[in-house]
Amino acid sequence: LAKTTQPISMDSYEGQEVNITCSHNNIATNDYITWYQQFPSQGPRFIIQGYKTKVTNEVASLFIPADRKSSTLSLPRVSLSDTAVYYCLVEHGSSNTGKLIFGQGTTLQVKP
Amino acid sequence: EAQVTQNPRYLITVTGKKLTVTCSQNMNHEYMSWYRQDPGLGLRQIYYSMNVEVTDKGDVPEGYKVSRKEKRNFPLILESPSPNQTSLYFCASSFSSGSLYEQFFGPGTRLTVL
Repeated sequence: LAKTTQPISMDSYEGQEVNITCSHNNIATNDYITWYQQFPSQGPRFIIQGYKTKVTNEVASLFIPADRKSSTLSLPRVSLSDTAVYYCLVEHGSSNTGKLIFGQGTTLQVKP
Repeated sequence: EAQVTQNPRYLITVTGKKLTVTCSQNMNHEYMSWYRQDPGLGLRQIYYSMNVEVTDKGDVPEGYKVSRKEKRNFPLILESPSPNQTSLYFCASSFSSGSLYEQFFGPGTRLTVL
């Protein structure tokens, strides 16, 4: 499974757009990119998943360039409640173990 | 409400005293899994189960046992807990074992072994 690299921490202010970039230089053809969010003292929660180009849902957008060696999670107009750890995962499309490999994640601190 | 529940949420015990952490999901998911989360090490998978009576080891299975007698339940058993098993434990479930299926995590169980 591809190793991912993300910034350890980021700060933002309420109302701003936040972009968290994840590097996955060794991503394979069948790999997908998935982001999870974890609030303190809670389990991780699925945010978004994509393979290429752009994916958008009610929570976030995911931008994946053509070479797929990186991806950017975009959170529009963050609020204090978006303070959490964000994990970028690369998952093999044909894997059947269901194992998720979590790195250190990015701790996002949203300030008033 | 669709959810994964774990009990207990907090537990302090002593070395060698057998304990069980229960996990239950109400989404009729086939796949269930246990992770432990430690500072600086992220989440690591302990065991997983693809269906009833089908379980397999994850990355850190030593010192743990699991069983899957019913689809909804996946208890984690520590036969003889040791201090290095002090951790935050999460149970997760998903529709299928394929890695692309969204996994739903429980609220966590914070275990301290003295």
